[in-house]
Amino acid sequence: QVQLHLSGPGLVKPSGTLSLTCAVSGDSISSNKWWSWVRQPPGKGLEWIAEIYHSGSTNYNPSLKSRVIISVDKPKNQFSLNLTSVTAADTAVYYCARGTPSPGTLIDSWGQGTLVTVSS
Amino acid sequence: DIVMTQSPDSLAVSLGERATINCKSSQNILYSSNSKNHLAWYQHKPGQPPKLLISWASTRDSGVPDRFSGSGSGTDFTLTISSLQAEDVAVYYCQQYYNTPYTFGQGTKLEIK
Repeated sequence: QVQLHLSGPGLVKPSGTLSLTCAVSGDSISSNKWWSWVRQPPGKGLEWIAEIYHSGSTNYNPSLKSRVIISVDKPKNQFSLNLTSVTAADTAVYYCARGTPSPGTLIDSWGQGTLVTVSS
Repeated sequence: DIVMTQSPDSLAVSLGERATINCKSSQNILYSSNSKNHLAWYQHKPGQPPKLLISWASTRDSGVPDRFSGSGSGTDFTLTISSLQAEDVAVYYCQQYYNTPYTFGQGTKLEIK
């Protein structure tokens, strides 16, 4: 059973960079899966951010694409999210997730989620 | 982007009664190459990650009780809980995975009447 463990700072200053890492256990980052990021601002719904395949192929939400960098670290079996130039609107619970290519990606497993607050 | 619209926004149902949540997509999410609707339903409880309930509009995920069922095709979909249990209190989201950006409905909050 796959487990996704998210780590990263819970507080980021405005205009800074939000950096999160998701460590994968119970599956290989090099398996036939897509590795995704999803967020939920307080009191709002879920927003898909981006996904990455172990080959380095990526898909991004156009609304965030200019500020998002995602990457895979195969030796460490983990993947990462960097979101630049953050504002208060980026305050959210961030989730990492695993998806099965279908075509299109069916997200079937989620990490616990972490609240990231953007504030000075 | 494909817009997913759920109705109602909130719903209160008595224990043991049926709960029905609707989801409409702004375009057809039936994929011609596999004849499948790329529609998932998730259950989201406070402090927990979302849980996949149903994929392909009507396929229950492993371990999901059979009181949960999904139906619909094309642009109109429904999640039905046949006999509401206390543990079903949650927010339910539909999501299309037909194309990127994958998009979610706004959520339906299900409560006990």
